[in-house]
Parts: sequence; C-alpha cells; structure tokens
Amino acid sequence: GDSVTQMEGPVTLSEEAFLTINCTYTATGYPSLFWYVQYPGEGLQLLLKATKADDKGSNKGFEATYRKETTSFHLEKGSVQVSDSAVYFCALRDQAGTALIFGKGTTLSVSS
Amino acid sequence: DAGVTQSPTHLIKTRGQQVTLRCSPKSGHDTVSWYQQALGQGPQFIFQYYEEEERQRGNFPDRFSGHQFPNYSSELNVNALLLGDSALYLCASSSTGRGRNTIYFGEGSWLTVV
Repeated sequence: GDSVTQMEGPVTLSEEAFLTINCTYTATGYPSLFWYVQYPGEGLQLLLKATKADDKGSNKGFEATYRKETTSFHLEKGSVQVSDSAVYFCALRDQAGTALIFGKGTTLSVSS
Repeated sequence: DAGVTQSPTHLIKTRGQQVTLRCSPKSGHDTVSWYQQALGQGPQFIFQYYEEEERQRGNFPDRFSGHQFPNYSSELNVNALLLGDSALYLCASSSTGRGRNTIYFGEGSWLTVV
C-alpha cells in the first residue's frame, strides 16, 4: 500500500542554518503531497503542498518540490529560526482523495 | 472564520469505558475525517464521513465508530477502551468542492486511558 518515509530525527540546528528534511513516498498513480507542522501541544497545520509532478510548494520560507522520478518531496529552508522548532510531517493523499498517509514525523530543534 | 473545532481538549477515562469526541468542521466544509496520533508517531487514518455516511475506513477495530450530522459536525465513539487507545485524536475537514485538496486539522482531543 501507499506509504511515506521521513528521515529520522531529531534534527538540531543553529539559528540561520540551512534545513533539509528528506521525504520519499510509495504510491500508485499520482498522489498529492503535503508537509504539515505540529508545534508543541497543538494540532497539525498545513505548511505547503504540491499536487502534480514538478510543482513547488512554498510558505514562510519553506519549499518542497514534487519529484516524480525520485518519488521525493524534501522540505528545505534557507535560514531557520528558533520559532521553526516543531515536528514536521510529510504526507500524501492518494488519487481517491480520501485519506492522508503520514510519515512518522521529524523533530526540528533550533537554538539561538 | 472559525477553523476546525474539537471538544473536549483533554479527558481521562478508565479501561473498559466508552468515550465520545466531537468535531465541528471549518465553515464551508462537508467532509470530516478522524485520525489517531499516538505519542511520537504520525497520525493514522481512522475513517471519513461524507453526507452522513462512512466513506472509507482505516485499519481500526469496530470499537471505533462515528457519526456525521446534517450540519456536517461529527462524533467519534470508542467503546471498551484499552490502554493503547491513549492518544491525540485529530479531526480534519475538507470540501468536495473547489480546493478539495486542502485538509484542515483541529487542535485535537487528548485521551488518556488509565
């Protein structure tokens, strides 16, 4: 079945460092891809999305490009801030469009 | 514009008891899904409701049941609670119309089973 694999955390960075969180997926057809962020004690917030190959999603300085040839959707940010500390989830939504399938999440900790 | 709202935010139940969690979708949304997020894990899909019917179900036992009301709000019921049911339960809403690819989540209901 469909699945999402994220890099293991935690990821610890200094403020203004470059961030990459790897995400690869297995799915039939052409899923939509998402990154969600979860701040401590809160629910999930949609960070960005891409619905077809070569689409680039972006928001708040974060970017991810839908790479069909490598089945990847890596999250990047050029300069992280302390306020970016959170858990990041990569997810896919299959063509039926019903359920989201999540990775296990990657914890990001940014220090000043 | 209110987002997805869930209640209660926290609750503690005893093994064997039953629990009901409630969700109001974002304005304009007609589809509600429920997810279970165990500590340190990603959310797992429980089921989705549309037009008051269960449209799809994940790999959860029949102890987990739900309902959707005519105003699109939804309830999640869990019977015969087990310690392993302790988790954050997330409600998500979406629209079958324009922008159907965007799913919004509520803050969740933290359930502790003792």
